[in-house]
Amino acid sequence: AQSVTQLDSQVPVFEEAPVELRCNYSSSVSVYLFWYVQYPNQGLQLLLKYLSGSTLVKGINGFEAEFNKSQTSFHLRKPSVHISDTAEYFCAVTGGEGAQKLVFGQGTRLTINP
Amino acid sequence: GAVVSQHPSWVICKSGTSVKIECRSLDFQATTMFWYRQFPKQSLMLMATSNEGSKATYEQGVEKDKFLINHASLTLSTLTVTSAHPEDSSFYICSARSPGTSEAFFGQGTRLTVV
Repeated sequence: AQSVTQLDSQVPVFEEAPVELRCNYSSSVSVYLFWYVQYPNQGLQLLLKYLSGSTLVKGINGFEAEFNKSQTSFHLRKPSVHISDTAEYFCAVTGGEGAQKLVFGQGTRLTINP
Repeated sequence: GAVVSQHPSWVICKSGTSVKIECRSLDFQATTMFWYRQFPKQSLMLMATSNEGSKATYEQGVEKDKFLINHASLTLSTLTVTSAHPEDSSFYICSARSPGTSEAFFGQGTRLTVV
């Protein structure tokens, strides 16, 4: 079985500052990893995903994440945040090809202050 | 990407009544859909996995007689909250996976308030 831990429940950041949202996972099999963003009262939108290949993954809205197998981490980064990045961010894992169930982390509330 | 439409986006109902939420995949066929429940400021909790043409698989602790799931076609799954009570008030989200892909697409969510 897989599990996901998002180490920070809330991250306040000033506008134009860099940000890193941390995610660690555990799994006994190879995994696919995802970051989703959720705006208030809306569903989830995929930011980026890691399936295989290059460990540095670039996504939408200027976000990127790096898969680190030895540290079982998949931290999300953005070099310069904007007010519009204020949202809830979820890291999720599924057990590779053929697996169906997505397991979510607890979420990180990113708040951008002017 | 693929689009998943969820309806209604919000609903208020009286205690004891039933509410149906629809989840449609608009531009792909989804053999499997997922239903999640999300409490305020919390993560998504998987309630059940809905398979077209067969019974849904419920997660431990989810009452299958309370939360009826029907996946009658490759583009539609429904969740019916039966005899709703105030504690059923929550945000319900569906998702669907396009066959042959790794990505799950999410509906917009339904805010259910039981009064």
